[in-house]
Amino acid sequence: DTGVSQDPRHKITKRGQNVTFRCDPISEHNRLYWYRQTLGQGPEFLTYFQNEAQLEKSRLLSDRFSAERPKGSFSTLEIQRTEQGDSAMYLCASSLEREWGEQFFGPGTRLTVL
Amino acid sequence: EDQVTQSPEALRLQEGESSSLNCSYTVSGLRGLFWYRQDPGKGPEFLFTLYSAGEEKEKERLKATLTKKESFLHITAPKPEDSATYLCAVQGVGGGFKTIFGAGTRLFVKA
Repeated sequence: DTGVSQDPRHKITKRGQNVTFRCDPISEHNRLYWYRQTLGQGPEFLTYFQNEAQLEKSRLLSDRFSAERPKGSFSTLEIQRTEQGDSAMYLCASSLEREWGEQFFGPGTRLTVL
Repeated sequence: EDQVTQSPEALRLQEGESSSLNCSYTVSGLRGLFWYRQDPGKGPEFLFTLYSAGEEKEKERLKATLTKKESFLHITAPKPEDSATYLCAVQGVGGGFKTIFGAGTRLFVKA
């Protein structure tokens, strides 16, 4: 296993368009997290899944954001009607339930909204 | 609300010059405090988990300690390859497994 992978690595879109990102976690990890990171800041929690169940979603997350994890495997994060303020690095991480403290991060998807 | 504050924002050291990074936290019941390292353009890499006050963990030139209000990451005799952003994060018992990160300390080690 080569770790957490994310696709695409970079995405440039125009304001108002919808975008979707994919995350493939480490295969045996049942917890999956999404974060957003802007320059000079730490990762900001967006949501997390245990298997296919979305257990928590940040109150900061607008209704334009939605995430899924069908069958408890890969996950997708969709942003509808993108705004310039959505420009950021979107990070995915996964962990084992019993090793919940150790999250393995992917390389991220850098989103630029023009 | 759970909160993490890291200081300093940036730290410049000469190779071999030991120092410490600070992480102050406010959480309603600590489940765990974490340290991560992040290199430019990459995702964070896990370093340590600390669970209770008084706990210490070490890895090579790094040592993390924890009190009821803050954590320190001590760097002994740093090398240029230790240059990175070090992130502190917490999970509170009242927040599920939501992880709150600080803004990080950017460490520069000059040869």
